[in-house]
Amino acid sequence: AQSVTQLGSHVSVSEGALVLLRCNYSSSVPPYLFWYVQYPNQGLQLLLKYTSAATLVKGINGFEAEFKKSETSFHLTKPSAHMSDAAEYFCAVSAQGAQKLVFGQGTRLTINP
Amino acid sequence: GAGVSQSPRYKVAKRGQDVALRCDPISGHVSLFWYQQALGQGPEFLTYFQNEAQLDKSGLPSDRFFAERPEGSVSTLKIQRTQQEDSAVYLCASGDFATRSYEQYFGPGTRLTVT
Repeated sequence: AQSVTQLGSHVSVSEGALVLLRCNYSSSVPPYLFWYVQYPNQGLQLLLKYTSAATLVKGINGFEAEFKKSETSFHLTKPSAHMSDAAEYFCAVSAQGAQKLVFGQGTRLTINP
Repeated sequence: GAGVSQSPRYKVAKRGQDVALRCDPISGHVSLFWYQQALGQGPEFLTYFQNEAQLDKSGLPSDRFFAERPEGSVSTLKIQRTQQEDSAVYLCASGDFATRSYEQYFGPGTRLTVT
């Protein structure tokens, strides 16, 4: 079985500051890991994914995440926050070879001018 | 328009009514998923289709929920005798796992409010 824990339901940073959103996972088999972003009244958009290739994954809009097996983590970072980054972010896991995604509770990111 | 579309975008139902939610996946995508997202929560898996076959329905919360994809393209999620706890956003996603990309592309969702 798989599960995801996102530490911090709300994160607030200043424009231009580092963004760090935390995700820890639990999986009985090698995982695939994903970060999705959701803007109000919209569906989820994939930011990046880890599927057992490089452990440092680069995604869209300047985001990246590092898979650390020893820490069972897949934290999302961005060096410099932009106002347009304000949204809800979801970490998700699936088992290799399986299909369904198991999501975390989400982290709402607020950017202060 | 190459994305996943869902209709209606908003649905208000009185408790006890039946509702049907439609999903049009990306053309050619074999895999189709339904998720339920309660307010302030992450999406939760409901059911999964590969072509017309429903391979996993372990997430359907009760026998009032029924999903179908008869021709392997459009899918309908039906909820019978709606209850207030069914109020949520219902998300549909499709994917082409044959390419080994393992990405799911999400539609905008249907927001269901049961009064």
